Amino acid sequence: DGGITQSPKYLFRKEGQNVTLSCEQNLNHDAMYWYRQDPGQGLRLIYYSQIVNDFQKGDIAEGYSVSREKKESFPLTVTSAQKNPTAFYLCASSIRDRGQELFFGEGSRLTVL
Amino acid sequence: AQTVTQSQPEMSVQEAETVTLSCTYDTSESDYYLFWYKQPPSRQMILVIRQEAYKQQNATENRFSVNFQKAAKSFSLKISDSQLGDAAMYFCAYRSVGGAGSYQLTFGKGTKLSVIP
Repeated sequence: DGGITQSPKYLFRKEGQNVTLSCEQNLNHDAMYWYRQDPGQGLRLIYYSQIVNDFQKGDIAEGYSVSREKKESFPLTVTSAQKNPTAFYLCASSIRDRGQELFFGEGSRLTVL
Repeated sequence: AQTVTQSQPEMSVQEAETVTLSCTYDTSESDYYLFWYKQPPSRQMILVIRQEAYKQQNATENRFSVNFQKAAKSFSLKISDSQLGDAAMYFCAYRSVGGAGSYQLTFGKGTKLSVIP
């Protein structure tokens, strides 16, 4: 079955450590996205990529980094520069037709101790 | 930049009854797409319904329908014959069709819907 796989589902890290969240899709979608979800805040866009080897900052990119070396993969690194990294992170993908919806993974919950 | 507002943080409905969730948005564009997503306790976002702004007809998907008022910039979701499985967070989202923002969704803060047996 096609879909988006995020790993790990739960992650605990000490303050000051970088962590990388994995996102893999087998939907053959060109575009991929990372959103952050906090209680009462909805979803906020961190980074997005429309094509391999290209990505753009979203609304809250500070303290995060991404890469897009393969069409299927769009990992997100939460760096030590991110001031409040504890959150729920959602990865999504879509075809490049602007009318099409985003398909989401099951999310990763990051807790920084 | 576009903004999406959901003014009802929480709502409840009796099983088998009808409930309407509100969404308003702010944009200067004439062409765009609107979406309602459902996020159940499993937390995976699921598309409920999509509306194209240039289409007058309101979208429907089984028990889910929208009331799209373009001039008022309003996009409400009506759930008929509510079921226990409808309990979830519901997010309204906006997508541009042009410019740098056209490949991302802008979300509202969500409405938590409870279904009472």
